[in-house]
Amino acid sequence: NAGVMQNPRHLVRRRGQEARLRCSPMKGHSHVYWYRQLPEEGLKFMVYLQKENIIDESGMPKERFSAEFPKEGPSILRIQQVVRGDSAAYFCASSLEEGAYEQYFGPGTRLTVT
Amino acid sequence: AQKVTQAQTEISVVEKEDVTLDCVYETRDTTYYLFWYKQPPSGELVFLIRRNSFDEQNEISGRYSWNFQKSTSSFNFTITASQVVDSAVYFCALVNDMRFGAGTRLTVKP
Repeated sequence: NAGVMQNPRHLVRRRGQEARLRCSPMKGHSHVYWYRQLPEEGLKFMVYLQKENIIDESGMPKERFSAEFPKEGPSILRIQQVVRGDSAAYFCASSLEEGAYEQYFGPGTRLTVT
Repeated sequence: AQKVTQAQTEISVVEKEDVTLDCVYETRDTTYYLFWYKQPPSGELVFLIRRNSFDEQNEISGRYSWNFQKSTSSFNFTITASQVVDSAVYFCALVNDMRFGAGTRLTVKP
């Protein structure tokens, strides 16, 4: 039973390029969460999605960032026109249901903007 | 405001010592859920425990134990007889709004 999968594990982008991070939740999970972890800092919630719906994007920067979780395929976190400050580890988590259920985390994507 | 505070930024102990990691939370919700996660040097996040606000029983799992005190809004985590493999960053989280504490970096020296 595969866990949460994220790819790529490492991504290097130049300033101004686009970054696309993918997350495949655990089998049977329909709730996906994205978090950002800046170097030496804790996790910051970004967005919570269910299939085809954004439920809570209160932690998402208003510009350049978007997320989707289509009916088929992985969830995508997209960062347009990346800047150095976007360099971080981006973690995806999935859960069976919302709220009380434990979130299982993927291995993370480490984005480096040069 | 919903908030999770892990006041200890870093803790260093010698192997076999007991160590307690503090977590204090603030919430207006009457029903809430608290989690602890471990992030070893490899970077992944490992789920350790879930606790709901109605269950104040302390929990023990091997060398790990958790002390949930609603009266003081705390959910502390104790490792007994620490081992080098326990070295990691530990995060406490209030799940209602996906709020994580800043983490406590635990270093266990041989």
